[in-house]
Amino acid sequence: GQQLNQSPQSMFIQEGEDVSMNCTSSSIFNTWLWYKQEPGEGPVLLIALYKAGELTSNGRLTAQFGITRKDSFLNISASIPSDVGIYFCAGPTLSWTSGTYKYIFGTGTRLKVLA
Amino acid sequence: DSGVTQTPKHLITATGQRVTLRCSPRSGDLSVYWYQQSLDQGLQFLIQYYNGEERAKGNILERFSAQQFPDLHSELNLSSLELGDSALYFCASSVVGQGGTDTQYFGPGTRLTVL
Repeated sequence: GQQLNQSPQSMFIQEGEDVSMNCTSSSIFNTWLWYKQEPGEGPVLLIALYKAGELTSNGRLTAQFGITRKDSFLNISASIPSDVGIYFCAGPTLSWTSGTYKYIFGTGTRLKVLA
Repeated sequence: DSGVTQTPKHLITATGQRVTLRCSPRSGDLSVYWYQQSLDQGLQFLIQYYNGEERAKGNILERFSAQQFPDLHSELNLSSLELGDSALYFCASSVVGQGGTDTQYFGPGTRLTVL
């Protein structure tokens, strides 16, 4: 089935550094979502992308919908300790048998920020 | 706070037992999704309900079942529990639940431990 591969799997960075992570798929997506999950909590939506080439920001976060529609990127600028967590990408896949969409999630990028 | 509530927060039970997890969606959301997240794993889609009817199915075991009630809350029933069922179970809700652009909001999760 379809898979979303995220890289890197984990990152240890110093406070103040910029962070880049990406998500790739073997097939085309029409929507890319980026979520953040903190320990013991549910994922929280950060950014949603709906159009190839789209670049969207949410505070210090910027995400881009890749031109090929098979990838997406998330950047965090000037990281702070509260950025720690797991960042997931997600995208909808269409079931041709039922005509419905379901979301698949990437394996996540674990971010740790050292003060 | 996403507006999605889940109970209980923690559940410890023994192999072979049956448990019920409960989810209340955000006010106005008609669609409910259930996900399983095992240790260090991404989110695996289990099942989706829309306005009381099953809409999409993922990798849900036959020992698991779900339903959505007229007041739109949902329950996930897990039976004949095995050690490998230990995981975080998340519920998410969205307004409509169709198409690839419907944003899902996640609850805080129920941590199930099977001993």
